[in-house]
Amino acid sequence: GENVEQHPSTLSVQEGDSAVIKCTYSDSASNYFPWYKQELGKRPQLIIDIRSNVGEKKDQRIAVTLNKTAKHFSLHITETQPEDSAVYFCAATLTGANNLFFGTGTRLTVIP
Amino acid sequence: DGGITQSPKYLFRKEGQNVTLSCEQNLNHDAMYWYRQDPGQGLRLIYYSQIVNDFQKGDIAEGYSVSREKKESFPLTVTSAQKNPTAFYLCASNPGNTNEKLFFGSGTQLSVL
Repeated sequence: GENVEQHPSTLSVQEGDSAVIKCTYSDSASNYFPWYKQELGKRPQLIIDIRSNVGEKKDQRIAVTLNKTAKHFSLHITETQPEDSAVYFCAATLTGANNLFFGTGTRLTVIP
Repeated sequence: DGGITQSPKYLFRKEGQNVTLSCEQNLNHDAMYWYRQDPGQGLRLIYYSQIVNDFQKGDIAEGYSVSREKKESFPLTVTSAQKNPTAFYLCASNPGNTNEKLFFGSGTQLSVL
């Protein structure tokens, strides 16, 4: 099955700086890559996703890039704010499959 | 917190006891899922259901059971066979029969007394 690895496990940045979280996947058939944000004590929420037919997707201060050849994808957060502090999970799957394979999470702390 | 409701928020289990976690959704979603979250690990799929009266095992189904008698409800029972039940349990749903764009509940923290 799919194996998703996520790095780093913790990340601290100064407010206003950028944050990058990286994930790799093992199954070249995977074609859907979502990112979830889980604030402390709250439910995970989908913040952005990308499909394998595009290399980059942006939504305001967040962006995701995908390198299919290398089988890795990254989340980029620019101009970080304290409310960006949370645990971020990447995931990978094949559209139509029944499981979503999650990375182990990255705890992002934005220091005011 | 509209959409998916999990209860209770905290649950304690005695040794040898079965406990049931509730998950209800009013989103009219066909598919529902149960995930287990352990510290330092990603979410792992326990069971999923794509339609009423049908459910399938996920990666870590041993020691768990589910039912899907109604579209809105997908309760999870943690049986005494689950030897390490302490974890945070998340229920999720989505409109179709794929695993994209999951909507999560707020979770249940299960601890062993």
